[in-house]
Amino acid sequence: GAGVSQSPSNKVTEKGKDVELRCDPISGHTALYWYRQSLGQGLEFLIYFQGNSAPDKSGLPSDRFSAERTGGSVSTLTIQRTQQEDSAVYLCASSLVSSGGRTDTQYFGPGTRLTVL
Amino acid sequence: QQQVKQSPQSLIVQKGGISIINCAYENTAFDYFPWYQQFPGKGPALLIAIRPDVSEKKEGRFTISFNKSAKQFSLHIMDSQPGDSATYFCAAVSYKYIFGTGTRLKVLA
Repeated sequence: GAGVSQSPSNKVTEKGKDVELRCDPISGHTALYWYRQSLGQGLEFLIYFQGNSAPDKSGLPSDRFSAERTGGSVSTLTIQRTQQEDSAVYLCASSLVSSGGRTDTQYFGPGTRLTVL
Repeated sequence: QQQVKQSPQSLIVQKGGISIINCAYENTAFDYFPWYQQFPGKGPALLIAIRPDVSEKKEGRFTISFNKSAKQFSLHIMDSQPGDSATYFCAAVSYKYIFGTGTRLKVLA
């Protein structure tokens, strides 16, 4: 079956430009997460969606970062006025939310490698 | 406290040896402890997971040992193979995932 897909797989942009990264979660998964992974580093949580709402955006590093989710499915992470320190792999994950609100196994996409020149 | 402390940061093991990666947590609300394996250029993939009602779970060469009182859990890879060379992340989960910082494992042929 189809897993989590992300596009583009690679994005090279110039400093100051805006970028949009897309995530298609597994069908039926109500929870969606964005993470950032810098070279050789761990997973930095950015934002969590439950349906179309984002109850936890605590990881967004600045107001240049925003995300939305529509139709309880596709999500877009937008970075405005990109900086060189935004260069990283941006990972999306999705999961079911089991009864009682506990989250289930997260399934990750392959990531988008963003390079800001 | 929401941190999960993972060690070591990197690990080199001979083929056939045992790889051991440790994680410790503080928040007793966590009730699910997965391990993820990540190969270069790929997203993390679930390897094995445990809930705190058992002390050990084994799947093939991979075993999680869980010590609830000490708030620690570990991943053991028996008969380590070069194909196991990857980065491993532990996580502790309640309503959200808290990931460890990762361990880069290299298994020498």
